[in-house]
Amino acid sequence: EMQLVESGGGLVQPGGSLRLSCVASGVGFSSNWMSWVRQAPGEGLESVANIKGDGNEINYVDSVRGRFTISRDNAEQSLYLQMNSLRTEDTAVYYCARYSSVYGGFDPWGQGTRVTVSS
Amino acid sequence: DIQMTQSPSSVSASVGDRLTITCRASQGVSRALSWYQQKPGKAPKLLIAVASGLHAGVPSRFTGSGSGTEFTLTISSLQPEDAATYYCQQAYRFPLTFGGGTKVEIK
Repeated sequence: EMQLVESGGGLVQPGGSLRLSCVASGVGFSSNWMSWVRQAPGEGLESVANIKGDGNEINYVDSVRGRFTISRDNAEQSLYLQMNSLRTEDTAVYYCARYSSVYGGFDPWGQGTRVTVSS
Repeated sequence: DIQMTQSPSSVSASVGDRLTITCRASQGVSRALSWYQQKPGKAPKLLIAVASGLHAGVPSRFTGSGSGTEFTLTISSLQPEDAATYYCQQAYRFPLTFGGGTKVEIK
């Protein structure tokens, strides 16, 4: 069974950068889509970036395209999110999750890492 | 983008009650619809995928139904541990989008 652990969150000023990491344990990492899903304080869920198992297909929500970059290292079973030009509205808990293209759901999820963009 | 709308946004019900949450898609998503449960301070958990497929380990009191643009999540007999926020999510087209959530409180 796959388990996911995120790291890299913190406080950053508007316009700054941050890199989130997610390490997977268990089987199936390299063969699955992986995603970053965020949740702003008191708000709902938003899928911001997804990457196919081989890394050859990537997509982003419009609000982060051009600023965020998702990547993965299958040898290290790691997923990354490079966040540049951060805005206050990017403040959220960021979750790493496996996305199954077979049944269309996110499972499992990591515990989340908090990103705060504030001056 | 496909917009997902849930109703109600919040509900209060008693232990043992039957509870139904509705999720509507702005365009047809076939049966590519999942449901999640999230408790405060915790990551969401997958309950149901492909509209009606119960995820492993999820109690049978949770059932999903629907196709196209209208879906429901039903809890047949509400339990204290079901107090949470529930989200629907479409998997028909990127970007994958979630409903706004339904907060379930126990009276």
